[in-house]
Amino acid sequence: KQEVTQIPAALSVPEGENLVLNCSFTDSAIYNLQWFRQDPGKGLTSLLLIQSSQREQTSGRLNASLDKSSGRSTLYIAASQPGDSATYLCAAANQAGTALIFGKGTTLSVSS
Amino acid sequence: GAVVSQHPSRVICKSGTSVKIECRSLDFQATTMFWYRQFPKQSLMLMATSNEGSKATYEQGVEKDKFLINHASLTLSTLTVTSAHPEDSSFYICSARRRTGATEAFFGQGTRLTVV
Repeated sequence: KQEVTQIPAALSVPEGENLVLNCSFTDSAIYNLQWFRQDPGKGLTSLLLIQSSQREQTSGRLNASLDKSSGRSTLYIAASQPGDSATYLCAAANQAGTALIFGKGTTLSVSS
Repeated sequence: GAVVSQHPSRVICKSGTSVKIECRSLDFQATTMFWYRQFPKQSLMLMATSNEGSKATYEQGVEKDKFLINHASLTLSTLTVTSAHPEDSSFYICSARRRTGATEAFFGQGTRLTVV
């Protein structure tokens, strides 16, 4: 059974710092992996989707990588801003059309 | 991206009553929808997978008679929490995929259920 783990659980950084959020999964035979952002009491905003055949995806200041062999994905945030403060969730789908399995998230706080 | 609308966003109900939550895919057809539950400071836990025109598949430990799921059309799935109790208070969120085999999952805004 797929399990997704995110480290650290919480992270506080000053504005402008580059940072990396880590995600690991136990079953390397994933179909795809998605990173989401969740603001307190709100739903999910999809940030990046990486297919199993891809190694990374980029969107603006965000870059997500995928290493299936080691069961890891990272989300890199460049030049962090206070508006980036939120919980970041990593989720893996084992097969096409199946549900996502979520990690517990990393709560990021960026201070100005 | 595709839009998934969930309603209501917040609901407070009395213990013993039933609450219905709707999940709609506004600009695409979703053959499969998923229902998740999130307790405070916890991750999203899959409750059930809803397929249009067939019975939902529930995850282990989720009572199918308590959490009724109906997916009557390609754009609408509903979750009814029957005989709600305070321990059912949680954040419920749905997800939909455009079609079978599609890659990206889109999520609704979530419903905060409080049972008093």
